[in-house]
Amino acid sequence: EPEVTQTPSHQVTQMGQEVILRCVPISNHLYFYWYRQILGQKVEFLVSFYNNEISEKSEIFDDQFSVERPDGSNFTLKIRSTKLEDSAMYFCASRKEQGVKKSEQYFGPGTRLTVT
Amino acid sequence: DQQVKQNSPSLSVQEGRISILNCDYTNSMFDYFLWYKKYPAEGPTFLISISSIKDKNEDGRFTVFLNKSAKHLSLHIVPSQPGDSAVYFCAATNTGKLIFGQGTTLQVKP
Repeated sequence: EPEVTQTPSHQVTQMGQEVILRCVPISNHLYFYWYRQILGQKVEFLVSFYNNEISEKSEIFDDQFSVERPDGSNFTLKIRSTKLEDSAMYFCASRKEQGVKKSEQYFGPGTRLTVT
Repeated sequence: DQQVKQNSPSLSVQEGRISILNCDYTNSMFDYFLWYKKYPAEGPTFLISISSIKDKNEDGRFTVFLNKSAKHLSLHIVPSQPGDSAVYFCAATNTGKLIFGQGTTLQVKP
């Protein structure tokens, strides 16, 4: 069964450093998302991406964040200058649009980002 | 942002009995609702969904009920099994982005 994959599973970085989190969505999916979950808190939406552009972003997704689909398979989240409060589990998700019907999002296993 | 709430942080049931997990929302624009199951150190796993034009959707042991007038949905698991022990999240959307509840930890005792 196809699944969303994410690498690395755990990333440790120093404050101020740039990190790139990588995701391979399910191959025939058209919509891509990043979410994060800070320890003990809700899963929060960061950004959605469709047709090679951002379709929606949250207030968390400021100028320090960017997303890219550099080729036909990868979807990346870059944090330019990490802060301590960026420490969280980051989940990638993808969705297959089915006409007007909303469809479920499938999540990857997550990348645990630790900023020291 | 409290648009989606799961007021019970935990639930414990006996194996074989029914588990009922509840979720409330405030945004009447939500038109699609989902339930996810999550184990520690894993991503959320999709369980079942329901469109706002329906009031019930069933898939095997899982049934989701939607009461639009009360802005309430529930997930019923019958019969509950020990392998169902996990954190359950409800989520809602109208634009594509998912708004999650805080989660309910379900423990199914043998």
